Amino acid sequence: QKEVEQNSGPLSVPEGAIASLNCTYSDRGSQSFFWYRQYSGKSPELIMFIYSNGDKEDGRFTAQLNKASQYVSLLIRDSQPSDSATYLCAVFTGTASKLTFGTGTRLQVTL
Amino acid sequence: DAGVIQSPRHEVTEMGQEVTLRCKPISGHNSLFWYRQTMMRGLELLIYFNNNVPIDDSGMPEDRFSAKMPNASFSTLKIQPSEPRDSAVYFCASSFREDTQYFGPGTRLTVL
Repeated sequence: QKEVEQNSGPLSVPEGAIASLNCTYSDRGSQSFFWYRQYSGKSPELIMFIYSNGDKEDGRFTAQLNKASQYVSLLIRDSQPSDSATYLCAVFTGTASKLTFGTGTRLQVTL
Repeated sequence: DAGVIQSPRHEVTEMGQEVTLRCKPISGHNSLFWYRQTMMRGLELLIYFNNNVPIDDSGMPEDRFSAKMPNASFSTLKIQPSEPRDSAVYFCASSFREDTQYFGPGTRLTVL
């Protein structure tokens, strides 16, 4: 079992719709959770982080965390073509002091 | 404020040659990370430093890889000798908290 799992996609959503990106993790001791956006040929860019169960909103982005289910998600409201990118989920485990990345979900926002 | 700076941005070399990648972390950050990204394996942590001291190098693939951080504002990743399977994008990241990491633009390495 991979430590951090994401569906590779592509996830295709029409412009203006809500994109829902999901991630599961295996280590129950994981403490903090991150979403990075990576455009093709570019470096990962940190867009959201969440530490506690529940929702955290920042503009059009909402991160959701459910530690009991070991599940974290990213919602993108009013999706724009500029949101088309690969979204990497990353999970930090304090005992290992390590940030583990999923393989990413490619999002395509269509006109 | 300047982000993480990496050089060179692109490197093409021949098998057997020495390759040195450079990184300048964000000022004030005390942790530095070297990652490698390939299509097959995704983003892999190679090594990380805290306060210039290597903490975990378990991700370094072989003895051909070495990394140093002589001071808080500079780190190098060296591959000697390089092999075609080392071709990848190498990212440096830095953080004030170990978990909240900011990435540099990367070095695209091609070993022929």
